[in-house]
Amino acid sequence: KAGVTQTPRYLIKTRGQQVTLSCSPISGHRSVSWYQQTPGQGLQFLFEYFSETQRNKGNFPGRFSGRQFSNSRSEMNVSTLELGDSALYLCASSLEGTGETQYFGPGTRLLVL
Amino acid sequence: EDQVTQSPEALRLQEGESSSLNCSYTVSGLRGLFWYRQDPGKGPEFLFTLYSAGEEKEKERLKATLTKKESFLHITAPKPEDSATYLCAVQADSNDYKLSFGAGTTVTVRA
Repeated sequence: KAGVTQTPRYLIKTRGQQVTLSCSPISGHRSVSWYQQTPGQGLQFLFEYFSETQRNKGNFPGRFSGRQFSNSRSEMNVSTLELGDSALYLCASSLEGTGETQYFGPGTRLLVL
Repeated sequence: EDQVTQSPEALRLQEGESSSLNCSYTVSGLRGLFWYRQDPGKGPEFLFTLYSAGEEKEKERLKATLTKKESFLHITAPKPEDSATYLCAVQADSNDYKLSFGAGTTVTVRA
């Protein structure tokens, strides 16, 4: 069974630009979560989607947004990039998000210059 | 708010020297506790899920246990390939669907 895939794997952007990251969950998984990982803050929850609906959002500014499509694939968008947005962005999928295991993708490394 | 604390921050072991990692947590109600392994620059790799106090799970040289306040990850006779950061996460028994992570324990095993 294929794992969680994320594209692109690496991105370099400049301040003020916007970026879109993509995540394809494991087949049959309907819950997709996004996390930001930085050396200083560790892994922090961004948001979670299930059946195209955002069920929860972490403490991030409105510049961070996401969506989920009918095939459970998900995208997240960051607008007006800041230097502090440089991080590893991780996507995780699970069957329904209600306590079962979340499986992570390889991540997208974003560098903002 | 859910809190997860891992100790120690770093652990240096000689090959074959067994040790334990600790994960203490505070949640309103535990839906599940998860252990992951993460290598530099990669996504977390799932190891174990524990749901209730007293539960234990094993995989090769790793064994995870759970009490009402903490979880332990025991590494028996580690090898250099066990070097990684080990992450603990909890999901609370509420409708928030998120994992709250600890800061991790970085394990280095010397040959």
